[in-house]
Parts: sequence; structure tokens; C-alpha cells
Amino acid sequence: DSGVTQTPKHLITATGQRVTLRCSPRSGDLSVYWYQQSLDQGLQFLIHYYNGEERAKGNILERFSAQQFPDLHSELNLSSLELGDSALYFCASSLESSDYEQYFGPGTRLTVT
Amino acid sequence: GEDVEQSLFLSVREGDSSVINCTYTDSSSTYLYWYKQEPGAGLQLLTYIFSNMDMKQDQRLTVLLNKKDKHLSLRIADTQTGDSAIYFCAEGAYSSASKIIFGSGTRLSIRP
Repeated sequence: DSGVTQTPKHLITATGQRVTLRCSPRSGDLSVYWYQQSLDQGLQFLIHYYNGEERAKGNILERFSAQQFPDLHSELNLSSLELGDSALYFCASSLESSDYEQYFGPGTRLTVT
Repeated sequence: GEDVEQSLFLSVREGDSSVINCTYTDSSSTYLYWYKQEPGAGLQLLTYIFSNMDMKQDQRLTVLLNKKDKHLSLRIADTQTGDSAIYFCAEGAYSSASKIIFGSGTRLSIRP
């Protein structure tokens, strides 16, 4: 158990809908990262927040957004969902902004039908 | 651009050593990682090596880095059934530590 929690574990929704995925980092960690794992794209970095501020963006679609709250938990919002958004979404956390040790949560499996 | 490549599958006999190989392209990579993903689980950080090191050993795990050839390997000694998983090689740079680039993963299967 990495100490990173993600909810929900599974999510099934229809195309065009909007969902919110939630992540709680390890106690004391200030950085949260979001990744998408799909069969065709592999594991891709989406976005990084540190202490409430966005620090880096990767291959994140404009339909997706994220935020980190004062209590350091983070939410990833996915809107206008398409079939191709079906994937495992992982959250990871680390102590600092430039910390090379990222600890991953168990993931949220999103299925868009 | 940055790219990390691994073979997709590896099958070894229980008790033998497993060697998983990886190549990367970004010469500015500072950290190189090995993550393990068991079925239905998240990624577990197994070990990492700094780019100024050649080797790192941690119990049954040995990481070798050939920086000249941009080649990284993970050796698992005395492979057990519990080692069955997908192993991801990844690279990161100090300048952008948040952006870790992952390989496609190598599925390790253990045969009796």
C-alpha cells in the first residue's frame, strides 16, 4: 500500500458525460501527478500540481482539467467523454515538486460506453 | 523526442534469473526507474538509479546502466511466481522531475 488513495475504483459512464476522479496523496506529500494508462497510448503523464499550483502539463486534453485543494487532495475532471477516454487513471504523489520518487495510487478504471 | 523502449514479453523458469532490458533516448535523463505493476494494481516503485551510477543492487534486484548506449537493465535473481507482473522502465530529468516518461512495459511470466 503506497498511501495514495483514489476514488472511485471503477466508473462506467456514457459518451458526452462528465466525471470527477479524486486522489488523496500520501500524508505530508505536497505534489500530485495524474497519469493515463490506455492500451494504445501506454502510460502517459497528464498534469502535476504542487501545493495547490499547477507545475507541469503533459498530454492532457482541453476537455480535461484538474485542481489541487488546500487540503492537498486533487481532482481530475473529464468532460465531453469519448469512447477513447476509457483508461486507467493513476494519481501519484511525492514530497516535493522536484522529488524523483513518485508513489502511485491503485488507479480509477474509467469505462465510457 | 523522448522515448523509452522495452520488449513486451519475457518468460523465465522459476528459480532462474530474469533480465529485463530497456533503451531510452533522452541523454539529459537524470533518473531511471523500474516500476512493477501487478494485475489490477497500481504501479509500485521498485528501484531507481541516478544517471551518474553504473549499478545499483537491492536484495534480489540489480540495475545496470550503460549511459553511453542509453541502455538500462533490471535483473531479478531467483525469480519467484510472485514476480509475475508488468515491469515498466521510465526516465526522468531533474529539470522536469514531474514528467516521467514510461516504456510500454514488459510482461514477465514465470513457468514452473
